[in-house]
This record gives sequence, C-alpha cells and structure tokens, in this order.
Amino acid sequence: AQTVTQSQPEMSVQEAETVTLSCTYDTSESDYYLFWYKQPPSRQMILVIRQEAYKQQNATENRFSVNFQKAAKSFSLKISDSQLGDAAMYFCAYRSGGGSNYKLTFGKGTLLTVNP
Amino acid sequence: NAGVMQNPRHLVRRRGQEARLRCSPMKGHSHVYWYRQLPEEGLKFMVYLQKENIIDESGMPKERFSAEFPKEGPSILRIQQVVRGDSAAYFCASSPYSGMAEAFFGQGTRLTVV
Repeated sequence: AQTVTQSQPEMSVQEAETVTLSCTYDTSESDYYLFWYKQPPSRQMILVIRQEAYKQQNATENRFSVNFQKAAKSFSLKISDSQLGDAAMYFCAYRSGGGSNYKLTFGKGTLLTVNP
Repeated sequence: NAGVMQNPRHLVRRRGQEARLRCSPMKGHSHVYWYRQLPEEGLKFMVYLQKENIIDESGMPKERFSAEFPKEGPSILRIQQVVRGDSAAYFCASSPYSGMAEAFFGQGTRLTVV
C-alpha cells in the first residue's frame, strides 16, 4: 500500500519570503500522480499543483512550484513571495495511475502560518 | 457552474441517532467520492460511486455506514447509530469521469456526535 509522509506538522514564513514544505511517499508503482492541496480555515480542499510521475519537468503554478525527486520519492512544495492568504493546512497526496486511479492517499498535513 | 455542494455544513447528532450527509456534484459530473477527515489527520478514502452504482466501498466501515448515488438527486452518506468516534469532517468530491485528476471537492460536512 502507498503511504505519504509529511514530516513537518507546522511551518511558518514571513510575508514575501519563500517556504518549502516537504513530502515523501512510498510506492512500488511506476505510474502515479502527486498533488498538493490547500485547506484554509473554510475547510475547502483546493488543488494547488499536480505532478505526473512520468514527467521529469517539475510542475509550476505561478508562485507555487514543486521539486519532484522520483528516485528519492520526494515531492516538496515551494511557495515563493508568500502572502497572508497562503496561510492554511497543506496536504500532499498520491494517486495511482493504474486500476485504483480514483483513490487519493493523503499525508497528515503541514500547517503553514504566514507572518506579516 | 456551481461547485460541489455539501449540506449541511455542520451537523450535531446524539449518540445512537442517524446522520445523513448530502452531496450534489458539479453539473455534468457522474462520479462521486467520499472522504473522511479525522482530527489531526489527512483525508481518507471511503467510497466511490457512479450513478446508481457503488464502484468501490473498500474504505467504508463495515457496519452502520452506507452510501448511495441515485439516478436523480444528491449522493447520500448515511451513518446509523452514530458514536463519538464518527465525529469528523466528511468530504465529497466529483469528477466528470473516473479518476481524481479532475475532481473537485466540496466544503465538507463537520459531524459532531455528542
């Protein structure tokens, strides 16, 4: 079974600075997808960024980018120019590319605080 | 196009009562997924449904929990004889086809059992 580990329960960053959230995963599959979700206090789960395992290029969405190290099974999220609205719980998630491609496996989350 | 709508947002039930959680998928989405988020935890998969069919319920507790997605109307997650351990946030997601790559989540229902 796949597992996702987020080793940082909490992180903080100063506004306008850069922060990196860590995620490692364990799988024996070669075809899979990785996601970062943001959960603000409203509880809404918002997809931040997605990475296909077969793509070597790291995904980027505006101020959000990932560092995908397939061999190391590492998938970190970098937030540049942090804004107050980035404060939220961030979840890393894994999805198989095979038969169970509808199940997301989530880590326990990292609570990000942005200080003004 | 309205997003995934879940109601109620908050639900309080006494031990032994029934809880019914509703999920209206996005327009044009016929695939629904339910996840549960226990305190201090990430979301965990419960069940995957298509219209009138349960595709995978491997994450559902074997007793007291059931889910349906009828031809008409919202998907319902039903918990009978609730216990304190059922207190959690329950999320629904929907997608236009199988797979979570294009799925959108609702805002969840927070169930509190007193």
